[in-house]
Amino acid sequence: ETGVTQTPRHLVMGMTNKKSLKCEQHLGHNAMYWYKQSAKKPLELMFVYNFKEQTENNSVPSRFSPECPNSSHLFLHLHTLQPEDSALYLCASSQGAGTYEQYFGPGTRLTVT
Amino acid sequence: AQSVSQHNHHVILSEAASLELGCNYSYGGTVNLFWYVQYPGQHLQLLLKYFSGDPLVKGIKGFEAEFIKSKFSFNLRKPSVQWSDTAEYFCAVTNQAGTALIFGKGTTLSVSS
Repeated sequence: ETGVTQTPRHLVMGMTNKKSLKCEQHLGHNAMYWYKQSAKKPLELMFVYNFKEQTENNSVPSRFSPECPNSSHLFLHLHTLQPEDSALYLCASSQGAGTYEQYFGPGTRLTVT
Repeated sequence: AQSVSQHNHHVILSEAASLELGCNYSYGGTVNLFWYVQYPGQHLQLLLKYFSGDPLVKGIKGFEAEFIKSKFSFNLRKPSVQWSDTAEYFCAVTNQAGTALIFGKGTTLSVSS
């Protein structure tokens, strides 16, 4: 596998479920990101991790819980989500945080019922 | 806080027409600038980037962009579009702290053959 991979690609969950999204990068990068992409809105940065440490939390509700066990893996744990959380969740990585070009995964299409 | 404006929401062109997509940002300090493209059903991928030096940067597939610091702009251009350029285009700029990217809402380009 090359680049940035995300699993699952599609997820349907009820509001009381707990699920996790997984991202893996094979680029040797040190920074990883979660974004939310909703229709008609800009990409919303959610979290930034640099060398496994969280450096940005863009006022994300606590029902979204990120985890970065190492520089290659990033998780987004989901619990008690709302229908308005339905969106495409994108993972990205870069050499370092912030100013470097980012490489994106294909995203997980999440539907909350 | 840094913000990014893409004034064109949806642009419709015929093949061989020239393209210019506008991008303006608000913070006037040192910034890195990017254009990303998302073809239907594909990942977001980098078209071109500006860090420093020549303000006219060339990217993949014949795209170029000009950084005009006095106008806080980084417009994307292509002299002659093709049907395969149909995609969504996102401008991104580093935030004031240089720790993350801020994306515009995107411009959908539809090219008819």
